Amino acid sequence: GAVVSQHPSWVICKSGTSVKIECRSLDFQATTMFWYRQFPKQSLMLMATSNEGSKATYEQGVEKDKFLINHASLTLSTLTVTSAHPEDSSFYICSAAGLGLADYNEQFFGPGTRLTVL
Amino acid sequence: QQQVKQSPQSLIVQKGGISIINCAYENTAFDYFPWYQQFPGKGPALLIAIRPDVSEKKEGRFTISFNKSAKQFSLHIMDSQPGDSATYFCAASWAGNQFYFGTGTSLTVIP
Repeated sequence: GAVVSQHPSWVICKSGTSVKIECRSLDFQATTMFWYRQFPKQSLMLMATSNEGSKATYEQGVEKDKFLINHASLTLSTLTVTSAHPEDSSFYICSAAGLGLADYNEQFFGPGTRLTVL
Repeated sequence: QQQVKQSPQSLIVQKGGISIINCAYENTAFDYFPWYQQFPGKGPALLIAIRPDVSEKKEGRFTISFNKSAKQFSLHIMDSQPGDSATYFCAASWAGNQFYFGTGTSLTVIP
């Protein structure tokens, strides 16, 4: 399958700081990227959908000023958690869909980023 | 409203046995049904997927059975191995839009 990378794999930061997470599609062009949040032993919760070159579409209840998403190229999307607080601690996962995949519905997931806010 | 319902929440199977996880959906517009496997601390990995024009799809030890009239689909893992111990998620989507995930099934295969 296609490969999606995320960086960093884990990050610890102090409350009030901002953290940027990168999501890259390595072997295909990601026209759409999705950002998810996952709590322990729970399912994936979609935060936002971003299409390359367009503003992200946020799910209800997700603060777009707090979770800034940029999808400036067909291989890179970033999620910035601004003024992070302990309640933002979670596992953040991106997925990508796009050109060159066997099925246009396919989504390939990154390995996730564990964010811990102290 | 949960778009995709998944059961059971957890499953324990003996090595060599068959693991069966079920999902049900409501939206008849869904046209793509994937299954993902997730190990702790890792992202989900696509296992196998099916479209509603096919009733069954098999890849190695993994088989999806699809019942369009009942709006149900299931994952069968044949000859289950301890290395299959993970959390499995079903999902559904239509026209390349967002995935609606099930709540997940924690599978434990005991030697």
